[in-house]
Amino acid sequence: DVKVTQSSRYLVKRTGEKVFLECVQDMDHENMFWYRQDPGLGLRLIYFSYDVKMKEKGDIPEGYSVSREKKERFSLILESASTNQTSMYLCASILGGQSSYNEQFFGPGTRLTVL
Amino acid sequence: GDSVTQMEGPVTLSEEAFLTINCTYTATGYPSLFWYVQYPGEGLQLLLKATKADDKGSNKGFEATYRKETTSFHLEKGSVQVSDSAVYFCALSDDGGGQNFVFGPGTRLSVLP
Repeated sequence: DVKVTQSSRYLVKRTGEKVFLECVQDMDHENMFWYRQDPGLGLRLIYFSYDVKMKEKGDIPEGYSVSREKKERFSLILESASTNQTSMYLCASILGGQSSYNEQFFGPGTRLTVL
Repeated sequence: GDSVTQMEGPVTLSEEAFLTINCTYTATGYPSLFWYVQYPGEGLQLLLKATKADDKGSNKGFEATYRKETTSFHLEKGSVQVSDSAVYFCALSDDGGGQNFVFGPGTRLSVLP
């Protein structure tokens, strides 16, 4: 059974703290993604990675950074958390290659609250 | 660029009612189309997909047909259950790496007993 796991389901942090969200997939997928989900705005892509140590900005990268040191692990970092980063964060992975048939697999999400 | 439009929610139905959630898309190529479902407090799960025109995806009683002529991929179920209450996302992909994976805004469905 394929799996994408995220380190925390719920997280509460204070403004200014450095926050790490971890995502691990066991499917040997090349590509991994971080989204945030907010009511009325759907899913918005923050960053994605198509290989180890490679990263690309998505639609809303400001205030975030990422790290991919190993193929199975993709971390999202909030250098200095702010209240407007309170959100649901979803990690996803997909098999690489040219076929558009492949679907994204999602983790359970991390609900982050910044006080 | 590519985009996905879904009907506005929330949608509220009684158990055993017929469900339709409309989805239309714009894309420059020949995308694959997907429906994802998100149950309360969880991530997104793939519900069904179709990879070419006239394909029908189906799963758990849900169906959707890839209509190229109307650029649509409407989700249907003949008889909904309370357990179908969730948010449904229509999505498309026109490349293999997922970098151009576009999601609709989601439609919240509530099914009342």
